[in-house]
Amino acid sequence: AQSVSQHNHHVILSEAASLELGCNYSYGGTVNLFWYVQYPGQHLQLLLKYFSGDPLVKGIKGFEAEFIKSKFSFNLRKPSVQWSDTAEYFCAVNPSGGYQKVTFGTGTKLQVIP
Amino acid sequence: EAQVTQNPRYLITVTGKKLTVTCSQNMNHEYMSWYRQDPGLGLRQIYYSMNVEVTDKGDVPEGYKVSRKEKRNFPLILESPSPNQTSLYFCASSFVGGAETQYFGPGTRLLVL
Repeated sequence: AQSVSQHNHHVILSEAASLELGCNYSYGGTVNLFWYVQYPGQHLQLLLKYFSGDPLVKGIKGFEAEFIKSKFSFNLRKPSVQWSDTAEYFCAVNPSGGYQKVTFGTGTKLQVIP
Repeated sequence: EAQVTQNPRYLITVTGKKLTVTCSQNMNHEYMSWYRQDPGLGLRQIYYSMNVEVTDKGDVPEGYKVSRKEKRNFPLILESPSPNQTSLYFCASSFVGGAETQYFGPGTRLLVL
């Protein structure tokens, strides 16, 4: 079975600071990787995903993530955060080749201070 | 508008009183899933369904039942709720395929007294 670790539980940044949120997974085969975001009072929505090809994935709102297979990592980055990025961010993984169990990390709450 | 709807959005009940949380999607998705979200634990998958009449356990299925009689609906049933099922519940749907994006409902906040 797969597992996901998000080591940063709560991150506080000032506007314009750079962001990197860690995500590590554990699984013996190939995987699909996702970052979802939950803005206050809103549904979870997809930020970006990786399933094959270029390991550097670009998503909405200027976010990107890099899949490093050797490190089992899929860290989320943004060069300059805005107050509107205040949200909770979830990394998720599921095995490639079939839509089986999807495992989410415990989430990282990001607070951006104006 | 493409969406996943859940009802009710908020529910307070007592231990042992059976309840059902409905989930419906209008995107013709084959895959549907239920999650619970708890502080410090993130989202944990309860049950999922690959298509009509095809369901399987997620990571935390104990105390829950599901059914998938129609493609658009995937109700979550708590036959005998207990206080440890107090949580925020999300339904999600997607097309079948490993890298498909899941679309989430607005959530149902359940309090079991």
